[in-house]
Amino acid sequence: EIVLTQSPDTLSLSPGERATLSCRASQSVSVNSLAWYQQKPGQAPRLLIYATSYRATGIPLRFSASGAGTEFTLIISRLQPEDFGVYYCQQYGSSPQTFGQGTKVEVK
Amino acid sequence: QVQLIQSGAEVKKPGASVKVSCKTSGYIFTDWTMNWLRQAPGQRFEWMGWISGGNGGRKYSDKFQGRLTFTRDTSASTVSMELSSLRDEDTAVYYCARDGYSSGYFSDYWGQGTLVIVSS
Repeated sequence: EIVLTQSPDTLSLSPGERATLSCRASQSVSVNSLAWYQQKPGQAPRLLIYATSYRATGIPLRFSASGAGTEFTLIISRLQPEDFGVYYCQQYGSSPQTFGQGTKVEVK
Repeated sequence: QVQLIQSGAEVKKPGASVKVSCKTSGYIFTDWTMNWLRQAPGQRFEWMGWISGGNGGRKYSDKFQGRLTFTRDTSASTVSMELSSLRDEDTAVYYCARDGYSSGYFSDYWGQGTLVIVSS
């Protein structure tokens, strides 16, 4: 199965700053089948991005993503207070679909 | 709006079975597939499989080797997940999550999660 490794484990930033999150796959992700989710404590994950770069319904423009093959990136252009939480990448191009270990974005 | 409401927390002994239900609303149940995933403490999300709301087709992760059963009730717009022969390592939060595209893709709406604790 494809192993996803996210970096960094923790990102300490202030509101208004730019966040760059990375997701590296152990092998090429088929047809750019990669998604990103945000999770806050005690809540279910929220879909942010699918198919590498498409924002899900209602996701603000400050969230953008890109990548191909084995390297993928999520960028939050200017962090808002509600953006702090844990972010996960997921590949669904190969079965079983797999998830990264998460990157925690915390207030500096 | 799309809602997925899961049944409440469970505490089970090793070897027992657990059934988690997921009642849906706000969309046409038979048009979408439901994924099941879990997250054990300190672990990554783990995909368990999916069930089609339309034809009832299912796919299970090999990891669960016959211990896992998905069912659906179209009249109640509800799907259920039953896991048998429970082990300590099955302790996790279990989620139903609607597939956002077809079957086994990304999940666009999630239930609130159901905590299952397996302990003697």
